[in-house]
Amino acid sequence: EVQLVESGGGLVQPGGSLRLSCAASGFTFSSYWIHWVRQTPGKGLVWVSRINSDGRSTSFADSVKGRFTISRDNAKNTVYLQMNSLRDEDTAVYYCARGGSSGSYGLDCWGQGILVTVSS
Amino acid sequence: QSMLTQPPSASGTPGQRLTISCSGSSSNIGTNTVNWYQHLPGEAPKLLIYASDQRPSGVPDRFSGSKSGTSASLAISGLQSEDEAHYYCAAWDDRSAGYVVFGGGTKVTVL
Repeated sequence: EVQLVESGGGLVQPGGSLRLSCAASGFTFSSYWIHWVRQTPGKGLVWVSRINSDGRSTSFADSVKGRFTISRDNAKNTVYLQMNSLRDEDTAVYYCARGGSSGSYGLDCWGQGILVTVSS
Repeated sequence: QSMLTQPPSASGTPGQRLTISCSGSSSNIGTNTVNWYQHLPGEAPKLLIYASDQRPSGVPDRFSGSKSGTSASLAISGLQSEDEAHYYCAAWDDRSAGYVVFGGGTKVTVL
C-alpha cells in the first residue's frame, strides 16, 4: 500500500524552528517528486515546497522562501521540511504528497497531515 | 505567486449536473495540464482528475474534467450527497523555479 506519514509537528513560538518529516512506503520512493502543501484554519490548500526525485532541484512558495528548506534521504524513504523563523501565519496543517517525475503531475497520494501551531 | 480563480461556492440538488470553473494564466493552465482535488473535512485531499481530463482508478465516471486555453472546469453529473466537499483545481506554473498553484477552492453543497 502506498503510504505517506508526516511527523514532527507541534507548538512552537514565533521565531522558532521545527522540522517535519514525511516517511514513505509502498512505492519506489527515489522515482518521485515530493511536495508539501498546507491548509491554514478556515482557508484553502496552499502549496509550500517541492523536491525532485534525486534531491537536486527544489522550489518554494514566496511566503516561505529563505525560511524553509526541503531535503530528502532516499535511503530512508524520507523527505524533510526544515522550517525556521516561524511566524504566526505559518500555523497550518501540513501535508506531504507524492508527485510524479515532473511538476505537472497530479499529487496522487497524500499523508494525513500534521498540525503546526506557531504561538507565544 | 498568484492563485487560480474558482467560485467560492456551488450547490445543486441530487441528480443534477454541476460545473466548477477554474481560471489561470498563460504560465500555468495555458501551458500545463490541470489537476482537481476533492477534500472532505478531516481527511487527506484526494486526486480526482489529472492531466486535465483523466480519472484515477476508483474515481466514479460522474466526475469529468476539461481544459481550454487558460481555463478549466470540473463537472459532476448525477450529484450525490457524498459529493459535498471542497474542490480545488491546481496546475504547475513555469515561472521562477516552478511551483504548484492552487485555486482558492469551491465548497459544493448538495441541497
